[in-house]
Amino acid sequence: KAGVTQTPRYLIKTRGQQVTLSCSPISGHRSVSWYQQTPGQGLQFLFEYFSETQRNKGNFPGRFSGRQFSNSRSEMNVSTLELGDSALYLCASSPDRPQETQYFGPGTRLLVL
Amino acid sequence: GENVEQHPSTLSVQEGDSAVIKCTYSDSASNYFPWYKQELGKGPQLIIDIRSNVGEKKDQRIAVTLNKTAKHFSLHITETQPEDSAVYFCAAITGGFKTIFGAGTRLFVKA
Repeated sequence: KAGVTQTPRYLIKTRGQQVTLSCSPISGHRSVSWYQQTPGQGLQFLFEYFSETQRNKGNFPGRFSGRQFSNSRSEMNVSTLELGDSALYLCASSPDRPQETQYFGPGTRLLVL
Repeated sequence: GENVEQHPSTLSVQEGDSAVIKCTYSDSASNYFPWYKQELGKGPQLIIDIRSNVGEKKDQRIAVTLNKTAKHFSLHITETQPEDSAVYFCAAITGGFKTIFGAGTRLFVKA
């Protein structure tokens, strides 16, 4: 089976812009979670989607949003980018609940200038 | 709030020695504890996990122990090899089904 794929792999944006990141889960996996990884804050949970519905949410401002499509592919959007949004954004998929094995993609590295 | 503490932040061992990384979690409702290895430029990869009804699990050179009473779990790597060098993260899935990660341990295995 193909692994989790994320596009794009690298992105450079300026403050105030918005960005959309994409994640394709492993075939058959219905749960997709998003994480932000930074040197200072580590790996932090953003949100989880299952069957096109946000099932869980971390403690991030409303500028961070996501959605999931009927084929389980997911996108996350960050509006009004700030310098502090520079990070590696990771997507992980699992068959159903996150208590099952989560498989991570390679991440999208976002740099906000 | 929910958190996972991980120690040490950096660990340097000689090839062939053992490495131990320890984590403590706060949510007593947590019942699933995965460990991930992250190499440079890659996403975290699951290396072993343990559920709350088990006290110990082993997979070749890697083992994990869990003490639910103390809310403490540990990763043990025996006969370390240079390719074990990476950042290791522990995690706990809370009762609210959120994955909370530890801060990570950078392991160096010296040849």
